[in-house]
Amino acid sequence: DARVTQTPRHKVTEMGQEVTMRCQPILGHNTVFWYRQTMMQGLELLAYFRNRAPLDDSGMPKDRFSAEMPDATLATLKIQPSEPRDSAVYFCASGLGHRQNSNQPQHFGDGTRLSIL
Amino acid sequence: SQQGEEDPQALSIQEGENATMNCSYKTSINNLQWYRQNSGRGLVHLILIRSNEREKHSGRLRVTLDTSKKSSSLLITASRAADTASYFCATSAGNTPLVFGKGTRLSVIA
Repeated sequence: DARVTQTPRHKVTEMGQEVTMRCQPILGHNTVFWYRQTMMQGLELLAYFRNRAPLDDSGMPKDRFSAEMPDATLATLKIQPSEPRDSAVYFCASGLGHRQNSNQPQHFGDGTRLSIL
Repeated sequence: SQQGEEDPQALSIQEGENATMNCSYKTSINNLQWYRQNSGRGLVHLILIRSNEREKHSGRLRVTLDTSKKSSSLLITASRAADTASYFCATSAGNTPLVFGKGTRLSVIA
């Protein structure tokens, strides 16, 4: 079965350090989403791309977070500088979308569990 | 906000019993989707129901949608220990991407 692959699965680092999370979407999917999951806030949408173009990153703190898709097989989410409040599980998901929104099911990776000390 | 809210937050049942989870939302939707998340894993899509549908089945899953009440329910029949997971509803409306609720934690005790 095709899967969304996220690396690393776990990351522990000190505050102030740069963190880069990577995602390989399912081949052929044209929409990529980044989410953050915490116990308090649940699953929050940070940003998403359609055909590699950013459609919405309003859920992302712009001063420290950045999301890119250098090519169709790679999406990255960077935090610089990282802070303890960024500790969470970050998920990437991909899907097929044909309009501004994506009504189609999303396929999730298993996440990056990030701990900022 | 269109965010769905699942009810109950947590549910514990014996193996073989049925489990029912509910989702309420606030705005008109295009479709509603249910996902499962096992501990330490990503969400897995279970079923999608469109706004013009009232009921859908997939194996032991049955989903209903009542757009007049802005609510949906997920029924898992003859539950198994392997059904232990968190279950999320997600709504799609207009030009906005899916919005997920906070989930129901289901524990099925063998």
